[in-house]
Amino acid sequence: QQQVKQSPQSLIVQKGGISIINCAYENTAFDYFPWYQQFPGKGPALLIAIRPDVSEKKEGRFTISFNKSAKQFSLHIMDSQPGDSATYFCAASSVGNEKLTFGTGTRLTIIP
Amino acid sequence: EAGVAQSPRYKIIEKRQSVAFWCNPISGHATLYWYQQILGQGPKLLIQFQNNGVVDDSQLPKDRFSAERLKGVDSTLKIQPAKLEDSAVYLCASSLQRNTEAFFGQGTRLTVV
Repeated sequence: QQQVKQSPQSLIVQKGGISIINCAYENTAFDYFPWYQQFPGKGPALLIAIRPDVSEKKEGRFTISFNKSAKQFSLHIMDSQPGDSATYFCAASSVGNEKLTFGTGTRLTIIP
Repeated sequence: EAGVAQSPRYKIIEKRQSVAFWCNPISGHATLYWYQQILGQGPKLLIQFQNNGVVDDSQLPKDRFSAERLKGVDSTLKIQPAKLEDSAVYLCASSLQRNTEAFFGQGTRLTVV
């Protein structure tokens, strides 16, 4: 019940395109859903996060869409750039048990 | 603001040997986490400290792993004896308080041969 399932495992998008990564969870107690970006040799860095009281959050080119009834959330990267090439992790946690449960990651490659 | 510092960056040891990792969190951060990231997987929490007390160590293999956070600042994670399956990146993270953004260090890449 603690799992967070992430897809796809890898993604190749042309420069300027839209990158979409999806996650699904089972634990209805989860109430915090962050996305992390990780470059090779670096630790994960928080990109954007959402709580279930809203269905969408946008920060620059990055948008989280959240569907509480389906227990799914996704990351959209608009106008994808080569510098966005990295591994992206979704995660989830809950009040009172705030350890982050991570998805398995998506390796995103933006090609010219 | 200085980030989370970890050392060493890389470590290669033989199985059954012991190893220790060190973490210095961001100044003032009360919560400290150790995560294990196996190649191709997402990080998995090993232990969470609030100041110098343990909040969650449910996924820490306590027969071989130990961690401490003396004086509520720096922390060390030890493995003794190491197994081949312990090969992973060990990430330290800290947050100002519980339920606030966690900042990760660069990690220590451990290879057990």
